[in-house]
Amino acid sequence: DQQVKQNSPSLSVQEGRISILNCDYTNSMFDYFLWYKKYPAEGPTFLISISSIKDKNEDGRFTVFLNKSAKHLSLHIVPSQPGDSAVYFCAAIPWNSGNTPLVFGKGTRLSVIA
Amino acid sequence: DADVTQTPRNRITKTGKRIMLECSQTKGHDRMYWYRQDPGLGLRLIYYSFDVKDINKGEISDGYSVSRQAQAKFSLSLESAIPNQTALYFCATSAEVSETQYFGPGTRLLVL
Repeated sequence: DQQVKQNSPSLSVQEGRISILNCDYTNSMFDYFLWYKKYPAEGPTFLISISSIKDKNEDGRFTVFLNKSAKHLSLHIVPSQPGDSAVYFCAAIPWNSGNTPLVFGKGTRLSVIA
Repeated sequence: DADVTQTPRNRITKTGKRIMLECSQTKGHDRMYWYRQDPGLGLRLIYYSFDVKDINKGEISDGYSVSRQAQAKFSLSLESAIPNQTALYFCATSAEVSETQYFGPGTRLLVL
């Protein structure tokens, strides 16, 4: 049973517009969330994270929003650029997880069209 | 130099062959992980290790084994490769389990 769900396998956005990638989770013990970005032929790289004590974290063009009551988070990219075209993975973990590793979603492929 | 390296980067093998994928890291992290990526299935955890004496099965460990030879080295073995193990394999490390994971560049494996 998937604990972290990214229901949109792909998303296309015009350059300069906003990209919104969504992620839902089912495990109420999750309280730390990360987004990773993956280009073809490369390993995933960390993008941005948020803990459950916040509802928003911003880093340049990237903002992650967390809605704990809905068990939903989203990644906003504004403005979108062609170099943002990649697969984005959402991941989650309980903060005091002991030995529980990250749980990843299946990813969303973002295409930014010039 | 890359912090997390994987060898080989590409490998073609035949059904029934034994194959080892190697991962080395210079980040000084205790925690190391092996994932496989398949189209539409995301990253699935195969095995993970929190220190040299600790090995844990992940979501899809059947058909795989691992060896943590040192803090810096974590190897993944396919004892008898089968075609459905054709995938992209990633090694990752982290300082703490709740902290950012750093991924290697991946090994593309094709089992004929």
